[in-house]
Amino acid sequence: AQSVTQLGSHVSVSEGALVLLRCNYSSSVPPYLFWYVQYPNQGLQLLLKYTTGATLVKGINGFEAEFKKSETSFHLTKPSAHMSDAAEYFCAVTHRDAGGTSYGKLTFGQGTILTVHP
Amino acid sequence: DVKVTQSSRYLVKRTGEKVFLECVQDMDHENMFWYRQDPGLGLRLIYFSYDVKMKEKGDIPEGYSVSREKKERFSLILESASTNQTSMYLCASSQLRQLTNTGELFFGEGSRLTVL
Repeated sequence: AQSVTQLGSHVSVSEGALVLLRCNYSSSVPPYLFWYVQYPNQGLQLLLKYTTGATLVKGINGFEAEFKKSETSFHLTKPSAHMSDAAEYFCAVTHRDAGGTSYGKLTFGQGTILTVHP
Repeated sequence: DVKVTQSSRYLVKRTGEKVFLECVQDMDHENMFWYRQDPGLGLRLIYFSYDVKMKEKGDIPEGYSVSREKKERFSLILESASTNQTSMYLCASSQLRQLTNTGELFFGEGSRLTVL
């Protein structure tokens, strides 16, 4: 079974500082991994995803994430935080059967609230 | 763009009432999902559906039921609402018949339910 752990329920950074949000996963088959963002009073929006190929994935708003199989990690980074990045971020993994087929069902981490200080 | 619309953004109900949460998507997606979001717990899957009149239990189905009479519409039903069902409910959809279905979900804006 797949699972996701996000380290740190709250992360606080200064504007212009590096953003690092941590995600570790457990999966018995090669995973598909996602980062979603949720702004206040809104639904979730896809930031980026890893399926196959290049392990460094670039997403919207300057975010990127690197898939590290040896560490079972998919950490999200942004070189310079903006005030508008303040939101809750969710890491997720797709359920896949032993044959690798995905049925569109995701397991989410607990979420990390990012606060950006002026 | 995919649009997933949840009929009510905010609801207040009393214990024991029957509650309907409606969700409609306009991109002809086969898969539809209902998640519940609570602080510190992330999103937990309640029910999902791969086709009309088809449903499968997720991780926390107790106290909920669903209906999918049309492909574009997926309803979540609380037969007898309880205070521990106070939460944010998120509907999502995804396309099944891709060459490689990555499982990317498209979400509605959520329905915040308060049960008194």
